[in-house]
Amino acid sequence: QVQLVESGGGVVQPGTSLRLSCTGSGFIFRTFDMYWVRQAPGKGLEWVAIVSHDGDKRFYSDSVKGRFAVSRDNPKNTLYLDMNSLTPDDTGLYYCAKDPPGGRYYFDSWGPGTLVTVSS
Amino acid sequence: QSALTQPASVSGSPGQSITISCIGTTSDVGSFDLVSWYQQYPGKAPKVIIFDVTQRPSGVSDRFSGSKSGNTASLTISGLQAEDEADYYCCSYAGSSTFVFGLGTTVTVL
Repeated sequence: QVQLVESGGGVVQPGTSLRLSCTGSGFIFRTFDMYWVRQAPGKGLEWVAIVSHDGDKRFYSDSVKGRFAVSRDNPKNTLYLDMNSLTPDDTGLYYCAKDPPGGRYYFDSWGPGTLVTVSS
Repeated sequence: QSALTQPASVSGSPGQSITISCIGTTSDVGSFDLVSWYQQYPGKAPKVIIFDVTQRPSGVSDRFSGSKSGNTASLTISGLQAEDEADYYCCSYAGSSTFVFGLGTTVTVL
């Protein structure tokens, strides 16, 4: 079955960088757009970024535009999120997600998330 | 990209029906029939329960239903059960491959 597993989270200081990874299995990774969604502690979900199936198109939320970069390595079935100039507001659980077959506009599978804490 | 507006909490007794509203704008909810709803239990990843405003994924109870009017989408839970106690989030496509989530609603079964 579909499985998504995030990794790379940790405790970092403000102003530093971090790279998150998400490995997918149980589906043809290269044919699906992939997403990052985050959730601050005790708060709601926030859409962060999307990368198209071929990696050519990338879009970001206003809150991370210019600081975060999403990419993918299809032969490795892996999605990445490079986060720079981190602030405490970036603290949260970061989920990767995929959309269903046919390029529909919702998220049908999610990973368990990886926790990022930005603190001095 | 302002978050969609949801009530912070909604409660009901077992067997009752409750409705959660999700208020957006003409840039998101009002422009696209692409609203989805997610159920999230504490410490768990979200799970889609409604997509494309009204559609239920296979395996989701028919006690969950969705609708939309103008800039407002709604999720109705009929025959409320204890297992429905969770957080619920709406999400709308907002154009240019972007999405916006609601602030979330905690459902309590009295």
